[in-house]
Amino acid sequence: GAGVSQSPSNKVTEKGKDVELRCDPISGHTALYWYRQSLGQGLEFLIYFQGNSAPDKSGLPSDRFSAERTGGSVSTLTIQRTQQEDSAVYLCASSPLLGRQNYEQYFGPGTRLTVT
Amino acid sequence: GENVEQHPSTLSVQEGDSAVIKCTYSDSASNYFPWYKQELGKRPQLIIDIRSNVGEKKDQRIAVTLNKTAKHFSLHITETQPEDSAVYFCAALRTGNQFYFGTGTSLTVIP
Repeated sequence: GAGVSQSPSNKVTEKGKDVELRCDPISGHTALYWYRQSLGQGLEFLIYFQGNSAPDKSGLPSDRFSAERTGGSVSTLTIQRTQQEDSAVYLCASSPLLGRQNYEQYFGPGTRLTVT
Repeated sequence: GENVEQHPSTLSVQEGDSAVIKCTYSDSASNYFPWYKQELGKRPQLIIDIRSNVGEKKDQRIAVTLNKTAKHFSLHITETQPEDSAVYFCAALRTGNQFYFGTGTSLTVIP
């Protein structure tokens, strides 16, 4: 079946512009996660959703970052007034219903964001 | 919150030798511990996981051990092959919470 997809795969934007990154999780997966990975670095947690609600937004680096999820499916991560330090690969992952103790995360291919 | 530490950050082994990567966690309520492999330019892929009610799990050349008392878990790769070369991440999850990832181990298997 289809895995997690993300779009765009690459995005080059000018400093100060807003960008929107999209994640399509595996159908039926309740949990959805956003991470940021800078070159050669680990996975930095940004936010996660259970259904449409976000119990934990503590990882968002600043108020320029926001995310939403609608219909328990697609999620968008928005970065306003982009800065050069926002350049990274943004990874999305989805996971089946946590309450049933099926925790496995499936990652998307990522969006490589470059802010010039 | 949880804090996951991973060691070593880099590891080089000869082909055929074993590789061991260790992680420690801080939250005793964490109950699920996956390991991910990330090849250059690709997405992380789950290779093995273990739950807190199990001490060891094995899948062919890969095994994971968990010591709940000491709050550490380890990845063991035996008979390493060049295709095992990648970055490996450990993670810990407390039910209803986010995943906390280690900082990664870059494994190089020398032919």
